Amino acid sequence: ETGVTQSPTHLIKTRGQQVTLRCSSQSGHNTVSWYQQALGQGPQFIFQYYREEENGRGNFPPRFSGLQFPNYSSELNVNALELDDSALYLCASSLLQGEQFFGPGTRLTVL
Amino acid sequence: GENVEQHPSTLSVQEGDSAVIKCTYSDSASNYFPWYKQELGKRPQLIIDIRSNVGEKKDQRIAVTLNKTAKHFSLHITETQPEDSAVYFCAATSGYSTLTFGKGTMLLVSP
Repeated sequence: ETGVTQSPTHLIKTRGQQVTLRCSSQSGHNTVSWYQQALGQGPQFIFQYYREEENGRGNFPPRFSGLQFPNYSSELNVNALELDDSALYLCASSLLQGEQFFGPGTRLTVL
Repeated sequence: GENVEQHPSTLSVQEGDSAVIKCTYSDSASNYFPWYKQELGKRPQLIIDIRSNVGEKKDQRIAVTLNKTAKHFSLHITETQPEDSAVYFCAATSGYSTLTFGKGTMLLVSP
């Protein structure tokens, strides 16, 4: 196992609601990247945080936002949920430009 | 931005055969190419990676080759075993650990 944890493991929400997903990075890592993995697809990069600052963003709308805390744990927030937001959300911790270690993911279902 | 194409989408082999998965990338600045294995319901796990200053890397039954000129890289698994059955993802990045993934290859190894 990688030492990267995510919570919750599963979540069911309805359209229009808001959700917060959490990620605890591996000890010693200062970078957290978030990915969305739709069923049958590869992970898609949402954004990355390095030392509490956003350090790159993929092609996701502003209703996807995040935070990184001084202990390098991170949150992903999604507002105004849509059906297409249903996916596995993965976080990965690393050193900047280092190997990424993935957490187990949060399975989000939007009804 | 980077675009990664992966083929085939599914691959069925007999135990003991070899399996080859191929990826192409678009950004000539990409310099790091990891391969991940994802079993059903589990997190992606790094199985091998290669950097652009190397043409080939091997780890027991797994090898990766990189052709920078053609912008393609391949995963080779020899003496396949049923436990190799999983979805395999290639990825590429030009730095800062923001990975662009292929769509995945489902490998099925039959006893």
